[in-house]
Parts: sequence; structure tokens; C-alpha cells
Amino acid sequence: EVQLVESGGGLVQPGGSLRLSCAASGFTFSDHYIDWVRQAPGKGLEWVGRSRNKVNSYSTEYAASVKGRFTISRDDSKNSLYLQMNSLKTEDTAVYYCTRVVGATTVDYWGLGTLVTVSS
Amino acid sequence: QSVLTQSPSASGTPGQRVTISCSGSSSNIGGNSVNWYQQLPGTAPKLLMYSNNQRPSGVPGRFSGSKSGTSASLAISGLQSEDEADYYCSTWDDSLNGPVFGGGTKLTVL
Repeated sequence: EVQLVESGGGLVQPGGSLRLSCAASGFTFSDHYIDWVRQAPGKGLEWVGRSRNKVNSYSTEYAASVKGRFTISRDDSKNSLYLQMNSLKTEDTAVYYCTRVVGATTVDYWGLGTLVTVSS
Repeated sequence: QSVLTQSPSASGTPGQRVTISCSGSSSNIGGNSVNWYQQLPGTAPKLLMYSNNQRPSGVPGRFSGSKSGTSASLAISGLQSEDEADYYCSTWDDSLNGPVFGGGTKLTVL
């Protein structure tokens, strides 16, 4: 059974940093692209960034709204993905979902999410 | 402001057929396949439809999808109370070089 479990969310002040983790199981982690998608309270879904698979050299892509502030990394030996978030803004407040991608364009599994609140 | 446009709300009575639409442009829906996600209250989204009209295992046949030009639609026939949820369309955007989502449609079963 595919499982994605996020952790690391919490309350942080504007300008602060936070590192989210995503632990994956039930599939060959290194074969898949993994995306972070977020959802602000009461709002829609927004793509945050992507880690491609081993075949594609684990390259990363980011949404314009987080580029230069967020960094995605992964450790295939631990089946884990990370999202390092720096220079956080109030508008980064959201539930952050770790998601598995198939065919480069389809998210087929979602984690339960972890809430990040940026507030003073 | 979402790249893909969806009506904020839709409604129907049990047994009815409801259609949710999603409008985009040539850089997204026009050149790429569309996926649909269902988000039940208080839960994470779930893949409902992929590649325009393909249902993942376990999704009832009451759900169907279609795409024409730069628009896509999700139809739900034989509406049931458990279908009350938010529905999001999504596709790849060639200009933004990333996936994009619609703003979501809140479906109410009256």
C-alpha cells in the first residue's frame, strides 16, 4: 500500500525557517517524481515544487512564488523527501501535501498533509 | 487567481446528473491531458479521473470525464450524498513549466 507521511509543520514567525519531511513506503521511491502541493486555509490547491526521479538526476523545479526561498531534497536510502522553507511569509501558511507523481503529470497519491502557520 | 477556471459552486439533488467545468488555454488544457481530484471535507484530495477520462481503480462508473479544446468537464450521474465535496481540475502548463490547478468547485447535494 502506497503511503506518504508528512511531518515537521508548526508555527513559525515571518522570516523564519522550517523543514518538512515526507516518509514514503509501499513503492519504489527512486522511480518516482515527488511533488509538494499546498493548500491555504479555505483556499484551493497550489503546486509548490518537484523532485524528479533517479533517472532524471533528481532535478528540481519550483513555483515562482517560492523559488529562491524553498529547496527540495531527497534521500532515497531513507525513502524520504524534504522541503526546506526559508524566509517564510504569512502567505506561506497552508497545509503542505507530499504527493507521488506518475507519467510526469498526474498526482496519484497524496499524504495527509502537515500544517504550516506563519504568524507573529 | 487560478490558471484554470472553475465555477465556485454546483449543486444537485440525489439521483441527478451534475457537470463541473474547467476552462484553460492552449498552454495548458489545449495541449495536455486533464486530471480531476475529489476532496471530501477535512481530508486530503484523492485522484478521481486522469488522462481526461480514465477512472482509477475503485472510482465508481458514475463519474466520467471529457475534454474538448481548452476546456474539460467532469460529470457525475446518479448523484449521491457522499459526492458532496470539492472538485479540482489539474493539468500541466507548458508556459509555467509546472502543474496548475483550478480554483475548485464545491458540490452540494441538496
